[in-house]
Amino acid sequence: GAVVSQHPSWVICKSGTSVKIECRSLDFQATTMFWYRQFPKQSLMLMATSNEGSKATYEQGVEKDKFLINHASLTLSTLTVTSAHPEDSSFYICSAPGGQGSGANVLTFGAGSRLTVL
Amino acid sequence: LAKTTQPISMDSYEGQEVNITCSHNNIATNDYITWYQQFPSQGPRFIIQGYKTKVTNEVASLFIPADRKSSTLSLPRVSLSDTAVYYCLVGEGYSSASKIIFGSGTRLSIRP
Repeated sequence: GAVVSQHPSWVICKSGTSVKIECRSLDFQATTMFWYRQFPKQSLMLMATSNEGSKATYEQGVEKDKFLINHASLTLSTLTVTSAHPEDSSFYICSAPGGQGSGANVLTFGAGSRLTVL
Repeated sequence: LAKTTQPISMDSYEGQEVNITCSHNNIATNDYITWYQQFPSQGPRFIIQGYKTKVTNEVASLFIPADRKSSTLSLPRVSLSDTAVYYCLVGEGYSSASKIIFGSGTRLSIRP
């Protein structure tokens, strides 16, 4: 089945530094990928839609200058958390449409990246 | 996307059948119903998808009444490993303009 690889699975960084998270579709092409953020015991919150070859679309309230998204190829999207602060500590999950099911509204998710900002 | 309503939490015991119902009163004609499972500190995993009537796969069944305003995920003979959060999503066929928004989900706890 379809696999989305997300790296790193966890990262600890100092406040003020930047962190990059990669999301790769391993056996299928993804012109679009979705980035979610999840706080403990809460649901996934859509942050942005990453589009290959064009600018990402950010959800309301998500700072595009803080969460930089690049979708340079059909299999790779990256999320960079710039000048991270403790409140950015969260579980970040990427996903791409495709894989299991009939394809309608079905996403394959990465394993997630847990970011801790000290 | 159609808004969904699910119970916040459910408890059951090993070996029991668990049914989780999702309400989606404003589902559109082109909308599919999709369920995902999420374990702690992992990304969600696709379980099952349907449009109408009944769908069954190796892990679950999905029952959808004729009016499609609700759906029920049925997990037969659950085990401790089925403890997870289950999300019901409703939306039409995917396009680059589609956004997939998660609701609150149902936190299922299975006891020995």
